[in-house]
Amino acid sequence: AQSVSQHNHHVILSEAASLELGCNYSYGGTVNLFWYVQYPGQHLQLLLKYFSGDPLVKGIKGFEAEFIKSKFSFNLRKPSVQWSDTAEYFCAVATSGNTPLVFGKGTRLSVIA
Amino acid sequence: DARVTQTPRHKVTEMGQEVTMRCQPILGHNTVFWYRQTMMQGLELLAYFRNRAPLDDSGMPKDRFSAEMPDATLATLKIQPSEPRDSAVYFCASGLDPWPQHFGDGTRLSIL
Repeated sequence: AQSVSQHNHHVILSEAASLELGCNYSYGGTVNLFWYVQYPGQHLQLLLKYFSGDPLVKGIKGFEAEFIKSKFSFNLRKPSVQWSDTAEYFCAVATSGNTPLVFGKGTRLSVIA
Repeated sequence: DARVTQTPRHKVTEMGQEVTMRCQPILGHNTVFWYRQTMMQGLELLAYFRNRAPLDDSGMPKDRFSAEMPDATLATLKIQPSEPRDSAVYFCASGLDPWPQHFGDGTRLSIL
């Protein structure tokens, strides 16, 4: 079964710092990849997704992610974080069309002034 | 914007009581998922429906949990009897074959 690893449990950054959150998955076949964000007390919202094509995917709120097949990775990036980016970020993977998403355990991002 | 609607938003009850959580998926979505979120385990998939048929409920404790979709506009998750370890936030999500999934606001359940 596929699994998703998010190695950073908690990341603390100052405003305007650059962000990169790691995500690695274990599955050798075709994958569909997602990043979700959960703001405090809210539901998960889709940030971006990768199905095929350009491995550099741009999402909402200035986030992007790069799919590197050889590294089984789908890291999330943002050049300059804001205080409002404080949230928990979840990477998720799905394989075939009928399988549900498998989520990583999440990375909590705290942005300080 | 279409939303997944979950009720109740909060539920506090005593151990041993029956708990029913409801979810109205986005109209037209054909997949429905129930997740449980805790600090220790993160997001766990409990059950998954496609076109109202249960596809996978292996993540759910069968002795006390049950998930159903009586019709296309309603999914339910029941716990009977409830235990303190069931305290968590329960999220429903819906999707169209089957991603991306759109999440509801969750039911925050506390079992005393």
